Amino acid sequence: EADIYQTPRYLVIGTGKKITLECSQTMGHDKMYWYQQDPGMELHLIHYSYGVNSTEKGDLSSESTVSRIRTEHFPLTLESARPSHTSQYLCASSGDPGANSPLHFGNGTRLTVT
Amino acid sequence: GDSVTQMEGPVTLSEEAFLTINCTYTATGYPSLFWYVQYPGEGLQLLLKATKADDKGSNKGFEATYRKETTSFHLEKGSVQVSDSAVYFCALNLFSGGYNKLIFGAGTRLAVHP
Repeated sequence: EADIYQTPRYLVIGTGKKITLECSQTMGHDKMYWYQQDPGMELHLIHYSYGVNSTEKGDLSSESTVSRIRTEHFPLTLESARPSHTSQYLCASSGDPGANSPLHFGNGTRLTVT
Repeated sequence: GDSVTQMEGPVTLSEEAFLTINCTYTATGYPSLFWYVQYPGEGLQLLLKATKADDKGSNKGFEATYRKETTSFHLEKGSVQVSDSAVYFCALNLFSGGYNKLIFGAGTRLAVHP
């Protein structure tokens, strides 16, 4: 069962629209992550946060932005969606510090920009 | 640099066949190693993990042993089922200076036929 929730599951939207993908976790985890997953399955880290008011860009450059005002909430925003943003977006969190702590993933948001 | 390489898919097997998915890594420190599984339409789930050399992770009939001498963490299962059809990701987690460095392999798709 998931303790990390993403909404919406599917979103089809026109070019130029502003969108926000929601991600919430109930585990009290400090670390949260956004990954973009391409059709070839590979995961690309686009944003991460180590706590409230802390956000960093990941390995893959992205036009999206994130915020972390509350521990449990890590929304991702696209100010002006484009077809190149069509992808699956996965949110994750992890708890204990150190290398042993696994990631907990949400079920993802599949975004299609027409 | 640090990296994870896993065998390309798709891997297609008949039910009850033996499964091996190869994973090798390059890391500057002492990582923890993980296998995640992604079922269709879902996010990733932790399948198993190993935190130090010679550790064996196991879950749901899957096993993987942390081999430092060969820098490998191959996933095995003695008898696969149709329900094992999914995408499998090998990953490493390095912890240094208070920060986690998470690296995923490209994923291997497994299809099991009755």
